[in-house]
Amino acid sequence: DAGITQSPRHKVTETGTPVTLRCHQTENHRYMYWYRQDPGHGLRLIHYSYGVKDTDKGEVSDGYSVSRSKTEDFLLTLESATSSQTSVYFCATKLAGGDEQYFGPGTRLTVT
Amino acid sequence: KQEVTQIPAALSVPEGENLVLNCSFTDSAIYNLQWFRQDPGKGLTSLLLIQSSQREQTSGRLNASLDKSSGRSTLYIAASQPGDSATYLCAVVAAGNKLTFGGGTRVLVKP
Repeated sequence: DAGITQSPRHKVTETGTPVTLRCHQTENHRYMYWYRQDPGHGLRLIHYSYGVKDTDKGEVSDGYSVSRSKTEDFLLTLESATSSQTSVYFCATKLAGGDEQYFGPGTRLTVT
Repeated sequence: KQEVTQIPAALSVPEGENLVLNCSFTDSAIYNLQWFRQDPGKGLTSLLLIQSSQREQTSGRLNASLDKSSGRSTLYIAASQPGDSATYLCAVVAAGNKLTFGGGTRVLVKP
């Protein structure tokens, strides 16, 4: 385990409100990732970070932004939540030079 | 664009039978392939990682093979147990260090 926690673990919010999900890691891994998991689509990459303040878009980045001001924290923000963003969100980390990604427990987000 | 497919989507076997899970990918230019296990409502647990230069990787009752040229990997679980019931996901890493996942195979091992 890479000591990854996600908060909150569950959240219900209304359409149009901003939402921020937090991923925290204690292993000093350089790379961090945000995925969403949906039935019929599997896991898809939203954004990733390859260092503090270095981020890039993934496959499904529209409607999401990220920030990484410290090695240990990677924040995912939904600027104005929509029902299509109802999903389970997973954070993952990877050591620089390593190959395996380690996943957090997930955050279940429901947008009503 | 890399696409990863896992067939079947669901599998049910009696306890003790060997499990064979399939994963195929469209672009053979991969760096490695990773197999994960996911229990209901939980995160992903890494099972095995195979480098593109390797043909197989083993851990206990688990053995994963990789045929890069044909775009296929197989996960074998010997002598299945009810505790092996879970969803198994494969994912490939290509340029950019990004994982592309298959849809998973949901496994039920009946006592």
